[in-house]
Amino acid sequence: GAVVSQHPSRVICKSGTSVKIECRSLDFQATTMFWYRQFPKQSLMLMATSNEGSKATYEQGVEKDKFLINHASLTLSTLTVTSAHPEDSSFYICSAQAGGRYEQYFGPGTRLTVT
Amino acid sequence: QQQVKQSPQSLIVQKGGIPIINCAYENTAFDYFPWYQQFPGKGPALLIAIRPDVSEKKEGRFTISFNKSAKQFSLHIMDSQPGDSATYFCAASVRNNDMRFGAGTRLTVKP
Repeated sequence: GAVVSQHPSRVICKSGTSVKIECRSLDFQATTMFWYRQFPKQSLMLMATSNEGSKATYEQGVEKDKFLINHASLTLSTLTVTSAHPEDSSFYICSAQAGGRYEQYFGPGTRLTVT
Repeated sequence: QQQVKQSPQSLIVQKGGIPIINCAYENTAFDYFPWYQQFPGKGPALLIAIRPDVSEKKEGRFTISFNKSAKQFSLHIMDSQPGDSATYFCAASVRNNDMRFGAGTRLTVKP
């Protein structure tokens, strides 16, 4: 149980284009989903927290107009990186949490490369 | 501001050894302390977690020791194997809110 998937696993896009990453909880309902960014050999940096049906809460320093988060259902959240630039290249990981639970279960991550 | 401090940054042990990874926190409101294991290019996997009302929790070869007064907790891996070589992250959260991660420990278990 507690399986979280992400799609795509890796994506290469040109500078200036937008890319969407999907995060799905496959066997439980995720009232809360989190999006993290991880640079090589570094820890996970929380970008935003999204609750189903509500606007996402962004961490300080994260541009909400650049990283659009939608959590329209209890099993799906999407992160759209708009007008991507090479500095947005990173490993993006989502996690999902069931209502009232402490555990966060992570997806396998998406490697984004902006050329 | 790093809310959870993790050490050491890297650790090398021989097969069968018992690596110990330590974490310290400041926020006394934290009430959930998980450990995650991450292999290169993969997402973190929940390994074991503890609440502050107990001082130790064991699951298989993994044990968390928790010292509430010192605001410290640690992960012990018994009978470590080369397959345990990975990066380990401690974390802490208040209730079921967003989690704060340590910097990570890169563990290498030599055969």
